[in-house]
Amino acid sequence: QSALTQPRSVSGSPGQSVTISCTGTSSDVGGYDYVSWYQQHPGKTPKLMIYDVTKRPSGVPDRFSGSKFGNTASLTISGLQAEDEADYYCCSYAGDYIYVFGSGTTVTVL
Amino acid sequence: EVRLVQSGAEARKPGEALKISCKGSGYTFTNSWIGWVRQMPGKGLEWMGIMYPGDSDTRYSPSFRGQITISADNSISTAYLQWSSLKASDTAMYYCARRIGAFVDFWGQGTLVTVSS
Repeated sequence: QSALTQPRSVSGSPGQSVTISCTGTSSDVGGYDYVSWYQQHPGKTPKLMIYDVTKRPSGVPDRFSGSKFGNTASLTISGLQAEDEADYYCCSYAGDYIYVFGSGTTVTVL
Repeated sequence: EVRLVQSGAEARKPGEALKISCKGSGYTFTNSWIGWVRQMPGKGLEWMGIMYPGDSDTRYSPSFRGQITISADNSISTAYLQWSSLKASDTAMYYCARRIGAFVDFWGQGTLVTVSS
């Protein structure tokens, strides 16, 4: 399994929106509605932000949203805040209880 | 409260064996798959494999098959990740994580493994 493709970095000013793409294949992202997104601050454990493409766990702000079209999933952060500065990873189910992560995107708040 | 508590940092020499642990609490350990994820220094997350403690069904990512062994001791609600012969390239942070539905929700705090001569 090759890592899903994410942009290395995205940036935005406070209050702006940023979108992170996550491109896979029909064997992973395109084949299942099981894409999740994780936020990881430096030196910290990953935190679940989105699951099943669009669902938000309790406690995650509604300015985080997910979507998918074909083999590409996306995470959008609306109303960017300083605490959103972190690394973000997508993760897709790839069948047979195997998962594949994205290459990771660093979000910088300008 | 769901918790996954991992064993402490380890330092080994190349060729040595190692087994690290992940103790689950706050949920029924045998009813949820437990996965393992590698993060090499300054790099991204990599899926290694997963196990269902209820029946010991284990699946390995192709990249890690044959390199690691995932197991569990249900009597103490603990999952394990082990190597029989470490390499310097195994130096990384290793996370255990609980799978619920088709996603991973709770993560352990991570175990840093350093392999150096």
